Amino acid sequence: GAGVSQSPSNKVTEKGKDVELRCDPISGHTALYWYRQSLGQGLEFLIYFQGNSAPDKSGLPSDRFSAERTGGSVSTLTIQRTQQEDSAVYLCASSLVESYEQYFGPGTRLTVT
Amino acid sequence: QKEVEQNSGPLSVPEGAIASLNCTYSDRGSQSFFWYRQYSGKSPELIMFIYSNGDKEDGRFTAQLNKASQYVSLLIRDSQPSDSATYLCAVGTSGGSYIPTFGRGTSLIVHP
Repeated sequence: GAGVSQSPSNKVTEKGKDVELRCDPISGHTALYWYRQSLGQGLEFLIYFQGNSAPDKSGLPSDRFSAERTGGSVSTLTIQRTQQEDSAVYLCASSLVESYEQYFGPGTRLTVT
Repeated sequence: QKEVEQNSGPLSVPEGAIASLNCTYSDRGSQSFFWYRQYSGKSPELIMFIYSNGDKEDGRFTAQLNKASQYVSLLIRDSQPSDSATYLCAVGTSGGSYIPTFGRGTSLIVHP
């Protein structure tokens, strides 16, 4: 079946602009996760959705970051007033309910100039 | 604070050898353990998971878990150059929010 998809695959934006990153999870997966990974660094957890609710937003680095999920499926991560330190690969993963077995999308490479 | 530690490497092994990757974790309540492979420029791919003490084999891969010593390892037999990647260890606890804790990964290089 289809895996996790993310769009766009690459995004270059100017400092101060807003960006939206999209994630479409595997069909039937109710849990959805956002991570980011800077060059040569580990995975940084951002936010977790169970259905449409986000029980854990503890990883969002600032109030410029927000995310939503609608219909228990597609999720959008929004970064407002982007900064150069936001440059990273943003990864989305999904899993079946109550499972740690996560399946990752290909990521969105964000470059803030 | 839950921690998962891995040697960053690189671990360099010759083709055909056994590569041994190790991971230790701090939370004794951890119940689920995962290994992801991440090729350069790609996203992580789940390759193994283990829940019980002992060994679990899948093809050339064997995951080993020792909860008493709080470590989990991944053995890759007959290593191939295509196994060259970063291997991430992830650990989950029961009753939590199902957010695993990831290690920073070990870089493996298999040279011909």
